[in-house]
Amino acid sequence: QVQLHQLGAGPLRPSETLSLVCGVSGGSFSAYRWSWIRQSAGKRLEWIGEIIDSGITFYNPSFRSRISISIDTSKNQFSLHLNSVTAADTAVYYCARVYTNAFDLWGQGTLVSVSS
Amino acid sequence: SSELTQDPALSVALGQTVTITCRGDSLRTYYASWYQQKPGQAPTLLIYSRSTRPSGIPDRFSGSGSGNTASLTITGTRAEDEADYFCHSRDRGDQGLFGGGTKLTV
Repeated sequence: QVQLHQLGAGPLRPSETLSLVCGVSGGSFSAYRWSWIRQSAGKRLEWIGEIIDSGITFYNPSFRSRISISIDTSKNQFSLHLNSVTAADTAVYYCARVYTNAFDLWGQGTLVSVSS
Repeated sequence: SSELTQDPALSVALGQTVTITCRGDSLRTYYASWYQQKPGQAPTLLIYSRSTRPSGIPDRFSGSGSGNTASLTITGTRAEDEADYFCHSRDRGDQGLFGGGTKLTV
């Protein structure tokens, strides 16, 4: 059974870089898109971006100047880097697998808190 | 960019039917998917490609839609269906777009 497991982050200070890794186990890594999504305390879900195993990325324009999503197919994992964070980036961050333009598998979520 | 609009909250009696609606221009081009989220948990996919249920999702959940509207219907609502429900679709440029969520009270 395919599972997504998130690693990384923790409390951050403003202007620091958020780094998260999502490991995929139990199934095929190739031929899927892999996505990052976040959810603020107000509960709204926000799509951050996606990557294909070839390395092609799709980013939410709201983040484009600060974001990088990368993939390591040899380790079955993909990563999110978001620089120059502010309090507005405080949220639960999820990784997810994309299947037929929907998110069929999700990581457990990582709470990232940005505070001075 | 486009938006997807949902009613913030709905209530339904046990055993009754409720329909949660999602509206947005992107739905004229792209299929909707629906997610259920309970407190402290990651969202779970309920419906994709407008009306397809993944394996393991009870058939009391169904999806439909036309034009700029997508709908999630729960038939014979159970107490465990009390949760937040989110719609999603693609947008221009292969962007992802979520609705604001509907809090369902049973």
